Amino acid sequence: EPEVTQTPSHQVTQMGQEVILRCVPISNHLYFYWYRQILGQKVEFLVSFYNNEISEKSEIFDDQFSVERPDGSNFTLKIRSTKLEDSAMYFCASSALGASGTDTQYFGPGTRLTVL
Amino acid sequence: AQSVTQLDSQVPVFEEAPVELRCNYSSSVSVYLFWYVQYPNQGLQLLLKYLSGSTLVESINGFEAEFNKSQTSFHLRKPSVHISDTAEYFCAVRSSNTGKLIFGQGTTLQVKP
Repeated sequence: EPEVTQTPSHQVTQMGQEVILRCVPISNHLYFYWYRQILGQKVEFLVSFYNNEISEKSEIFDDQFSVERPDGSNFTLKIRSTKLEDSAMYFCASSALGASGTDTQYFGPGTRLTVL
Repeated sequence: AQSVTQLDSQVPVFEEAPVELRCNYSSSVSVYLFWYVQYPNQGLQLLLKYLSGSTLVESINGFEAEFNKSQTSFHLRKPSVHISDTAEYFCAVRSSNTGKLIFGQGTTLQVKP
């Protein structure tokens, strides 16, 4: 069964450093998402992406964050200057149909980001 | 705006006992409802979903959930749990005009032998 993959599984970085989290969505999917879960808190939506542009973003997704689909298979989340509060599990998801009611989002296993 | 509340952070239960994981939502528009499960060291997997039609939906591994519009609930149930059901369960909602999922805080189901 096709699945969403994410690398690395765990990333440790120093405050102020840039990080790039990578995701490979399911190959025929067109809609891509990032969510995050701070330890002990809810899974929160960050951004959705379709047709090479952001279709929706949350207030968390400020200028420090950016997303890109650099080639036909990868989908990346960049955090320019990490803060301690960016420490979280970051989940990538993809779906075939976007906001369609029948659509299912398929999630990757997550990248645990630790900012020291 | 939508929100989701999962009333229990942890639910310990013995194997073969029934279980109910509670989920309530709030929304001013129609929503679609989902239950996701996360096994240790894995991603979120869709367990079941309510889009329209019959208010009782079932998964392939014996879970079911019932959409109750008047009580704004979507509780997850299983009549007899297995050790392998031990996992984190997340309830989520989405309105029809967005792909954004709104999640509850999750409920850890701990099945004991």
